[in-house]
Formats: sequence, structure tokens, C-alpha cells
Amino acid sequence: DADVTQTPRNRITKTGKRIMLECSQTKGHDRMYWYRQDPGLGLRLIYYSFDVKDINKGEISDGYSVSRQAQAKFSLSLESAIPNQTALYFCATSAAGGDRAFFGQGTRLTVV
Amino acid sequence: DAKTTQPPSMDCAEGRAANLPCNHSTISGNEYVYWYRQIHSQGPQYIIHGLKNNETNEMASLIITEDRKSSTLILPHATLRDTAVYYCIVRGGSGNTPLVFGKGTRLSVIA
Repeated sequence: DADVTQTPRNRITKTGKRIMLECSQTKGHDRMYWYRQDPGLGLRLIYYSFDVKDINKGEISDGYSVSRQAQAKFSLSLESAIPNQTALYFCATSAAGGDRAFFGQGTRLTVV
Repeated sequence: DAKTTQPPSMDCAEGRAANLPCNHSTISGNEYVYWYRQIHSQGPQYIIHGLKNNETNEMASLIITEDRKSSTLILPHATLRDTAVYYCIVRGGSGNTPLVFGKGTRLSVIA
């Protein structure tokens, strides 16, 4: 089983719908991240959390919200999806003071 | 964190060494150089990181210049499976900042 699991892997939704992307990890890491990737571009940080009680905005947090339900779970919500939120979304984890991050396989979201 | 500059694309013949450059002229003393790669649309994968000494692991070697303003990732014997986008990232040594990705270098390994 993957250390960082994202669900769903693919999703098509309609404009205006609320959608939640979920991420769970079995690595026991405190830190979790959500990134977005548009075609031909690098990953951009949406939100990150350094522990269960900590939530921080990233570069492009507008239109998104997150919930850190437990150490192992970090969810990303789009309250009212719009077409320009169509992208590939990645969750990642790292240990406090650790030297590397581990990424999930991504969720491909299409908003029509 | 300091910014990095990488060429947008490079080609390499299969079996040859792939040398991927990265400039980070504003790097500060406690910042590390990290390399990740992304194969197709999979999640990025950690390759290697270093502070000022050269580093080698089972995947690659990292050569950092003495003034630390640039570095080179070396894949000693590139294979077709090494075709990917390679990201050079500078990050504080405390690990208290998230990774910030640029556009990376798209490496194409050619048979």
C-alpha cells in the first residue's frame, strides 16, 4: 500500500459544486501539504499543516479550504468549484525536521 | 528561500551521464539544495540534497560549487526511465518551510 494515499484519483464535477479531496498517510509524519499543478507548470502550494492544530495558507489558497482531522488525514475542499480549478492536485507529507517530502499519486480534478 | 534557475529542457543519450545544472546565486549559508523529479504526472520523488559538500546516493550525485551559487545533478548512466521533469529547490536548513517548486528541467533520455 502507498504511504500517501489520495482519494479520489480522478473526479469530474460541475461548476458551483462543493468537492472534497482526501489525503491519508501511514508514515507517521506531522507535516502535510496540498499542492496544485497546472499543465506545463511546477507545483504551487495551496495549504500546509505542521501539526493537527496548525493550518497555514500557501501561495494560492483563495477558493480552497482545508481540514486536518487527525495526524494522518488532511482534506482539501473546494467550496464552489470553478473551471479554472481544473488541475492535478498533490498531497505530500514530511517529518518535522526531516529532509524529504513524500508525495501521493495525485488527484486529477476537472470542473466543467 | 532563494530562487533557482534551470534550463527548461535537455536531452541525453541513453547510457550516458545526464548533467542537470541549477543556478542559485542568492542562496544563504543555512540553505540546502534539494532535487526532486516528476515522472509523467506522478507525484514528485525525492532524489538527493546537500549543503556544501558533494553528495552521492544510489540514484544520483550532487555537485555543489565552492561558492554554492550553482549545482549540478548527475545521473551517471541515464535510462529511458529517467525521462522526467527535474526540480532544483533551495530550502532552509531547519526544514520549517514547505518546498517551493519552479518549472524545472524536462530531461528527455533518447535511445
